[in-house]
Amino acid sequence: GQNIDQPTEMTATEGAIVQINCTYQTSGFNGLFWYQQHAGEAPTFLSYNVLDGLEEKGRFSSFLSRSKGYSYLLLKELQMKDSASYLCAVKDSNYQLIWGAGTKLIIKP
Amino acid sequence: IAGITQAPTSQILAAGRRMTLRCTQDMRHNAMYWYRQDLGLGLRLIHYSNTAGTTGKGEVPDGYSVSRANTDDFPLTLASAVPSQTSVYFCASSDGLAVANEQFFGPGTRLTVL
Repeated sequence: GQNIDQPTEMTATEGAIVQINCTYQTSGFNGLFWYQQHAGEAPTFLSYNVLDGLEEKGRFSSFLSRSKGYSYLLLKELQMKDSASYLCAVKDSNYQLIWGAGTKLIIKP
Repeated sequence: IAGITQAPTSQILAAGRRMTLRCTQDMRHNAMYWYRQDLGLGLRLIHYSNTAGTTGKGEVPDGYSVSRANTDDFPLTLASAVPSQTSVYFCASSDGLAVANEQFFGPGTRLTVL
């Protein structure tokens, strides 16, 4: 079966750095997405990785290792507004997104 | 620019009733999707449409139907609602099927079936 695993909840301090991990087992791989979802709102796109390595976008970076079925999202200089759930999703061989359950990130002052 | 709109925002429905959730996008995207999101579970695909006039079944299609008469609208119908269909429903769209194309989400409909 297809499976996306990520931690349920993480806590970090304002101004610090946090890394949210995602491991996957899917039928085929056509890229990995990270989305941010604030409570009660819709998911919004953060990043896309299809090749191994690090993609940097401002305070957010995303890493992919296809051989290990592993990705992480790195958030730097954490701000209170970064408190949200972070969703990992893999596009499978049918070009459909398979979603993890999300990691709730709590930022403390 | 509205993006994707969904209606209603929330609804309480008696079991056995028929309900249509509406979704409209103004981005001229070819592909549209319906997901449900339940606590502790990832988004699960109900139905999708790669282009107007075509639809396909996702991971959890039972009890739901869709139609795609035009590019902009993608309604989701529950023919006879059951309590297990209590969930938050998100409509999404993407610009074609290229692998890198992200999906844009509507604000969601919170549905409670009693």
